[in-house]
Amino acid sequence: ELKVEQNPLFLSMQEGKNYTIYCNYSTTSDRLYWYRQDPGKSLESLFVLLSNGAVKQEGRLMASLDTKARLSTLHITAAVHDLSATYFCAAGGAGSYQLTFGKGTKLSVIP
Amino acid sequence: NAGVTQTPKFRVLKTGQSMTLLCAQDMNHEYMYWYRQDPGMGLRLIHYSVGEGTTAKGEVPDGYNVSRLKKQNFLLGLESAAPSQTSVYFCASTKNYGYTFGSGTRLTVV
Repeated sequence: ELKVEQNPLFLSMQEGKNYTIYCNYSTTSDRLYWYRQDPGKSLESLFVLLSNGAVKQEGRLMASLDTKARLSTLHITAAVHDLSATYFCAAGGAGSYQLTFGKGTKLSVIP
Repeated sequence: NAGVTQTPKFRVLKTGQSMTLLCAQDMNHEYMYWYRQDPGMGLRLIHYSVGEGTTAKGEVPDGYNVSRLKKQNFLLGLESAAPSQTSVYFCASTKNYGYTFGSGTRLTVV
């Protein structure tokens, strides 16, 4: 059974600082997703990572995937208040179309 | 192109009542999913479907039933609602690697 663990679950950071959210998964996965969710809203797709060593960047966010370590990271560079949201990672089991989600990281960026 | 549409958006039920949540997608996606989201729990898979006429159980299927009579629609039913089913329900669909989520249904069971 695929399990996905995110840490930290809560993150309060100052504007301008850098930080990383970690996503570990327990068994072989062939794809890893990062989503953003604002309060009361649906999930917004940020990144899809499909291969070992994959790195994707969009603005101040950069995601990477290490399939050997079963680890994905979401790095935040020079945080701004607009990045405040809850971030979820989700992994798809190899050969499966199901997604298993982590519990989410609630990020608060303080001016 | 509407994507994934969920109805209703909000609903309050009394314990023991029944209801059906509708998910409709217009992208010709084969795979459809129902998730529930509870505070601090992330999204948990209830049921899913890999094609018209097929359904399968996910992580938390108890108390729910589903049907996929048409490819574009995936229905989630609660036969006898319980307070533990108070949650936000999200529908999603996919064809390959991209998942599209609906806007959610906020259900309260009192």
